[in-house]
Amino acid sequence: GAVVSQHPSRVICKSGTSVKIECRSLDFQATTMFWYRQFPKQSLMLMATSNEGSKATYEQGVEKDKFLINHASLTLSTLTVTSAHPEDSSFYICSARARMWGGGKETQYFGPGTRLLVL
Amino acid sequence: AQSVSQHNHHVILSEAASLELGCNYSYGGTVNLFWYVQYPGQHLQLLLKYFSGDPLVKGIKGFEAEFIKSKFSFNLRKPSVQWSDTAEYFCAVNRGSTLGRLYFGRGTQLTVWP
Repeated sequence: GAVVSQHPSRVICKSGTSVKIECRSLDFQATTMFWYRQFPKQSLMLMATSNEGSKATYEQGVEKDKFLINHASLTLSTLTVTSAHPEDSSFYICSARARMWGGGKETQYFGPGTRLLVL
Repeated sequence: AQSVSQHNHHVILSEAASLELGCNYSYGGTVNLFWYVQYPGQHLQLLLKYFSGDPLVKGIKGFEAEFIKSKFSFNLRKPSVQWSDTAEYFCAVNRGSTLGRLYFGRGTQLTVWP
């Protein structure tokens, strides 16, 4: 099946620093990648939709200058948390939608997530 | 207001018991429906999905779900659970016009005692 990886799996940083999280589709091309945030005991909240070669679309309430998304290729999207603060500590998960021709019943494949702790 | 509702936050069952997890959504129009499972320490995996056709869909590991359009529901079922089914289960909805964006319920933690 399709595999999506994330790096790093966990990161601890000081307040005020920036952290970059990578999301890669390993065996398929992803026209679209999604970034989610998951708080403990809560659901995944969609943060943004990332399309290859274009600007990301952010959900309401998500600061685009805070969470920078770059989707430079069909297999890589990055999320950079700029000037991180303790309230940004969370579990960040990406997913990738497989490229399908002729319309389709595409499925999202999820990465293993990145645990961010900001001190 | 939450658009995808999972009524049970934590379900505890004994092995061989039957399972039904509720999921309701509040969107009108075309929807695609999914159930994902997250085993401890692992990433989300697709259990099953519904796009169109037979409203009773079968997924992996003996799970099935029934789409009832009139009730805006997509409940997950399994006739006989196993200890290995202990996990968090998420219902998700894709609205047909939103280019693949998924909206998740808050999840149901299932604990199965051997």
